[in-house]
Amino acid sequence: GEDVEQSLFLSVREGDSSVINCTYTDSSSTYLYWYKQEPGAGLQLLTYIFSNMDMKQDQRLTVLLNKKDKHLSLRIADTQTGDSAIYFCAESSYSSASKIIFGSGTRLSIRP
Amino acid sequence: DTGVSQNPRHKITKRGQNVTFRCDPISEHNRLYWYRQTLGQGPEFLTYFQNEAQLEKSRLLSDRFSAERPKGSFSTLEIQRTEQGDSAMYLCASSPSSPGQYGEQYFGPGTRLTVT
Repeated sequence: GEDVEQSLFLSVREGDSSVINCTYTDSSSTYLYWYKQEPGAGLQLLTYIFSNMDMKQDQRLTVLLNKKDKHLSLRIADTQTGDSAIYFCAESSYSSASKIIFGSGTRLSIRP
Repeated sequence: DTGVSQNPRHKITKRGQNVTFRCDPISEHNRLYWYRQTLGQGPEFLTYFQNEAQLEKSRLLSDRFSAERPKGSFSTLEIQRTEQGDSAMYLCASSPSSPGQYGEQYFGPGTRLTVT
């Protein structure tokens, strides 16, 4: 079945770049997403990429997609304390366009 | 319009009681989704509406769960005879259905259910 996996924790120094990695199994994935969840808040859609793209950049965020290896990454440049949150990788496909399959989330912590 | 809203934000109930949650989507969005999130996990899909029609239901949605969207606007999720395993955050999301945009789901803050 569909599965999305990501590491549970990442710690980076303030000002460095953060790279959060994700792998997925559904070869028919059409959209791949990164969501951010802060304590007590809902999920915030950060960015998404179509499966026919290999890169998308949006200000400090860079998404890289390796469709052959089913690997997605999110790079956050110049990481700030406000970037501390849980980041969820997710995917959806045309076969079931209504639902998004989420990973378990990567908790990003920033150290001074 | 400030986004998807959900009420209540927190609900504590005793096992065996019924609970109902409400979701108000972004006004121009005709797709509405319910997810459940347990501690340390990502959200899991429960069900989905296109306007007032419920088009997909997850296997996670047991017979004790029912969702409605009677006028194609707000939606309710009812859990009957709650069990402790129902304790979770229940998230609602909405999305437009314009071509190329259907993938964008916008989430509400969630309703945290605690069953004692």
